[in-house]
Amino acid sequence: ETGVTQSPTHLIKTRGQQVTLRCSSQSGHNTVSWYQQALGQGPQFIFQYYREEENGRGNFPPRFSGLQFPNYSSELNVNALELDDSALYLCASSLTKQQFFGPGTRLTVL
Amino acid sequence: AQKITQTQPGMFVQEKEAVTLDCTYDTSDQSYGLFWYKQPSSGEMIFLIYQGSYDEQNATEGRYSLNFQKARKSANLVISASQLGDSAMYFCAMRENSGYSTLTFGKGTMLLVSP
Repeated sequence: ETGVTQSPTHLIKTRGQQVTLRCSSQSGHNTVSWYQQALGQGPQFIFQYYREEENGRGNFPPRFSGLQFPNYSSELNVNALELDDSALYLCASSLTKQQFFGPGTRLTVL
Repeated sequence: AQKITQTQPGMFVQEKEAVTLDCTYDTSDQSYGLFWYKQPSSGEMIFLIYQGSYDEQNATEGRYSLNFQKARKSANLVISASQLGDSAMYFCAMRENSGYSTLTFGKGTMLLVSP
């Protein structure tokens, strides 16, 4: 059984650019959640997708958007990048209430 | 108010000793779940242990046990017989069963195990 995978592992962007992060959920998991983890902090919930629909959203601006595809993989898009968007972005997939995390994408905004 | 509070930014323990990492939580839900995750420097969140609010017994998973005191709203992680590989960040998290099943995390505790 393949676990949760994320790509890319590292990414460097400049302010104002746009970025797309990808997540492949664990086989059969229909729910994907995205979290942002700033340096020295715990992960913060961005949003969750269930069967291709956004199912909940944390306190993040609209320039953070997402998609979930029929195979339950997901994308996180961030427009107009700001320096404070530099963080580890974690994706977690679930079928029931337990979430399984991927290795994360480390985004640096210069 | 913070939903998950971890008051220990860092903890030191010697190899083979036991260590307790503190976690208190705040919720008005009757049904909720509490989790502990380990995050090594590589970044991946590794699930350690889970306690449901209605579970009467404290959860145990190998060297990990959760000291659940519902009335005090605390869910401390106990690691017995610490190993060098236990050095990592540890996060307490809560899932409230009202609404969608997302996790709220604390700020974490850095555990360093010395030989």
